[in-house]
Amino acid sequence: GAVVSQHPSWVICKSGTSVKIECRSLDFQATTMFWYRQFPKQSLMLMATSNEGSKATYEQGVEKDKFLINHASLTLSTLTVTSAHPEDSSFYICSARTSGRLQETQYFGPGTRLLVL
Amino acid sequence: KNEVEQSPQNLTAQEGEFITINCSYSVGISALHWLQQHPGGGIVSLFMLSSGKKKHGRLIATINIQEKHSSLHITASHPRDSAVYICAGINFGNEKLTFGTGTRLTIIP
Repeated sequence: GAVVSQHPSWVICKSGTSVKIECRSLDFQATTMFWYRQFPKQSLMLMATSNEGSKATYEQGVEKDKFLINHASLTLSTLTVTSAHPEDSSFYICSARTSGRLQETQYFGPGTRLLVL
Repeated sequence: KNEVEQSPQNLTAQEGEFITINCSYSVGISALHWLQQHPGGGIVSLFMLSSGKKKHGRLIATINIQEKHSSLHITASHPRDSAVYICAGINFGNEKLTFGTGTRLTIIP
């Protein structure tokens, strides 16, 4: 099946620093990538939808200036958490979809665990 | 607002038992993903279905569109099946996923 990787798998940083998370589709071109956040014992929450070459669409309540998303190519999307604070500590997961067809399967990355001290 | 509800929230069973996890969804959901999340957090898509039934190994997923209900079955369960199983509805039109709260399955040897 299609493979999606994320880097880093975990990161610890000090409050106020910025953290970049990469999401790559390894063996297919991803027209759309999604970024999710999951707090402990909670369900995944969609943060934003990213289409290659265009601006990301953010969900209500997600600050676009704090969570910068860049989808520069069909195989790479990045999420940058700017000026991270302890409340940003979470598990961040990306997924990628292969085409623009409706109901296409999403392939999930392994996730990045962020801890902000 | 599209909604997805799962049951049970937690399920503990003996190895070998037949497992059923249920998912109900609201109008506006056009298809469903069944996902498996292991303790490390990684998510694997098990099935995506919009009608009928799909089978992969010991896993079977069914969906009843009229009743807006889907089930995930595991036959001959094994401890390695222990994980959180998540039902996620694909929203008609924008294709965003609405996630259920997950079912934590523990299979005891």
